[in-house]
Amino acid sequence: QSALTQPASVSGSPGQSVTISCTGTSSDIGTYNFVSWFQQHPGKAPKLMIYEVTKRPSGVSNRFSGSKSGNTASLTISGLQAEDEADYYCCSYAGIRMEVFGGGTKLTVL
Amino acid sequence: QLQVQESGPGLVKPSETLSLTCTVSGDSISSSNYYWGWIRQPPGKGLEWIGSVYYSGSTYYNPSLKSRVTISIDTSKNQFSVNLSSVTAADTAVYYCARRYGSCYSCFDYWGQGILVTVSS
Repeated sequence: QSALTQPASVSGSPGQSVTISCTGTSSDIGTYNFVSWFQQHPGKAPKLMIYEVTKRPSGVSNRFSGSKSGNTASLTISGLQAEDEADYYCCSYAGIRMEVFGGGTKLTVL
Repeated sequence: QLQVQESGPGLVKPSETLSLTCTVSGDSISSSNYYWGWIRQPPGKGLEWIGSVYYSGSTYYNPSLKSRVTISIDTSKNQFSVNLSSVTAADTAVYYCARRYGSCYSCFDYWGQGILVTVSS
């Protein structure tokens, strides 16, 4: 099972919106609605931001939203803030009780 | 508040077995609502799911590591562990333990701080 494909980097200015894509296959994202997104600041553990494609855990800002179309999931961050600068990882169920992560995307707030 | 904490040696020799333990506090590891997983991250690289265990002892592993990994659970100690055999430098990584909603794959909601394990002679 190959890792999900994410862009290496994205950037945006404060107040803008950015979208990070996560491309899989019909064996993972395309079939299952178990896509999560994690935020990771340097030297810290990942933090769950989105689960089951669109759901936000308690305490996560509503500036973060998720979606899916076909084999591609997306994370959109609106009203970009300096504190959003971090690495972002997607993760999907890949069937036969297997989970697979994306390669990660570095978000830079300009 | 749930806490999970990794422990174990930070240095392992090539060809030996890496062994780490995750201690859970603030909730029972015997809850049927959750799975418990291990994820690793090589320095400067992305996350890789290693495998997960249920309170019953049921396990499932990343196929790329399956021949070398064993995950076990000790409900009496509220701990779960990972053993990775025949390690090489490629296994050098920060190893995280995490909790996952039982009914939601990929929903790792509580993570430990991570432990750096270096494979070197």
